[in-house]
Amino acid sequence: GQSLEQPSEVTAVEGAIVQINCTYQTSGFYGLSWYQQHDGGAPTFLSYNALDGLEETGRFSSFLSRSDSYGYLLLQELQMKDSASYFCAVMNRDDKIIFGKGTRLHILP
Amino acid sequence: DVKVTQSSRYLVKRTGEKVFLECVQDMDHENMFWYRQDPGLGLRLIYFSYDVKMKEKGDIPEGYSVSREKKERFSLILESASTNQTSMYLCASSLGWSGNGELFFGEGSRLTVL
Repeated sequence: GQSLEQPSEVTAVEGAIVQINCTYQTSGFYGLSWYQQHDGGAPTFLSYNALDGLEETGRFSSFLSRSDSYGYLLLQELQMKDSASYFCAVMNRDDKIIFGKGTRLHILP
Repeated sequence: DVKVTQSSRYLVKRTGEKVFLECVQDMDHENMFWYRQDPGLGLRLIYFSYDVKMKEKGDIPEGYSVSREKKERFSLILESASTNQTSMYLCASSLGWSGNGELFFGEGSRLTVL
């Protein structure tokens, strides 16, 4: 079967750095994506990793280790507007995209 | 600008009714998806389609069917709605392998079954 594990909640302080981890089990792995979803809104794409290593996009970075079936999203210089749910998602070679249950990020002033 | 449009933002239906949820994308994407989202359960894949008239089951297809007669349109059908199908339904599209797998989502359809 397929499964993705990520923490259900994470709390951090404004201006700090937070890391959200994701481990996955799947067959035919192709890539790992991250999405952000604010309350009442639709998920929006943040990043994608198909190869091992770190991808940086502004304050957000995403990391993948294919050998460990593991990835993380790193958010730097946290802002209050980053309070949201974050989902990791696996894309398989059959184009199927499966999501984790999401991590609720709480940011304290 | 990229756009995925879901026909209804809010629907209220009665148990046993047939329900159609429509989704249209204007990006010429090959792949289209239907997810349902429930608190604490994340997004669960119901069905996806990688081409016209093609469909693949996701993780929770029971009680649902889909139709893709045209590339831009992907419909989700609840043959006989039940209360446990009360949920937020999200449609999405993507380029698939030829892109980075990015999913573009519609605004969602919140269905309540009484």
